[in-house]
Amino acid sequence: GEDVEQSLFLSVREGDSSVINCTYTDSSSTYLYWYKQEPGAGLQLLTYIFSNMDMKQDQRLTVLLNKKDKHLSLRIADTQTGDSAIYFCADLSGGYQKVTFGTGTKLQVIP
Amino acid sequence: NAGVTQTPKFRILKIGQSMTLQCTQDMNHNYMYWYRQDPGMGLKLIYYSVGAGITDKGEVPNGYNVSRSTTEDFPLRLELAAPSQTSVYFCASSRGISPSYEQYFGPGTRLTVT
Repeated sequence: GEDVEQSLFLSVREGDSSVINCTYTDSSSTYLYWYKQEPGAGLQLLTYIFSNMDMKQDQRLTVLLNKKDKHLSLRIADTQTGDSAIYFCADLSGGYQKVTFGTGTKLQVIP
Repeated sequence: NAGVTQTPKFRILKIGQSMTLQCTQDMNHNYMYWYRQDPGMGLKLIYYSVGAGITDKGEVPNGYNVSRSTTEDFPLRLELAAPSQTSVYFCASSRGISPSYEQYFGPGTRLTVT
């Protein structure tokens, strides 16, 4: 079946850039997502990218997609303490209900 | 709008007990979902619904049941709780099936079965 993998933990200093990586296995993925989960809360959609795009930028967020290597990354510029959270990548394939979530990357921002 | 609300926030069950996790959304979304999140894992889809009266199984439906009698409510039922059902349960809803329609998540229910 489909698999989406992420590293479990990332620590950065406030003001630095964060790069969170994700790999997926399903070559039929049509959309790829980044969700943010703050402590005690549900997931919140940050951004998504269509599979025929290489890059998408939204303010401090940059999403890069390497479809050949099935690699997705999320870059957060000027990382703030409020960015501390768990970040999940997910991919959509085979219909709307087949969203596969990664294991999540916990981002710790050190003041 | 309150968005997606879930009750209870926390619950401890004994093996074999039953309970219903409640989920309500006030956004008039047709699509609703139940996920479970195990420690260090991503979300797994349990059940979903595309409208009142219509439900279907997701990836991990065993041990659960759902119903959708109204657009607003999508309760999840555990009939015979097992330790393997210890998890955090998230309910979500979305306006449509297009990937650009984001799923809105509730705050979660943390369930422990001992």
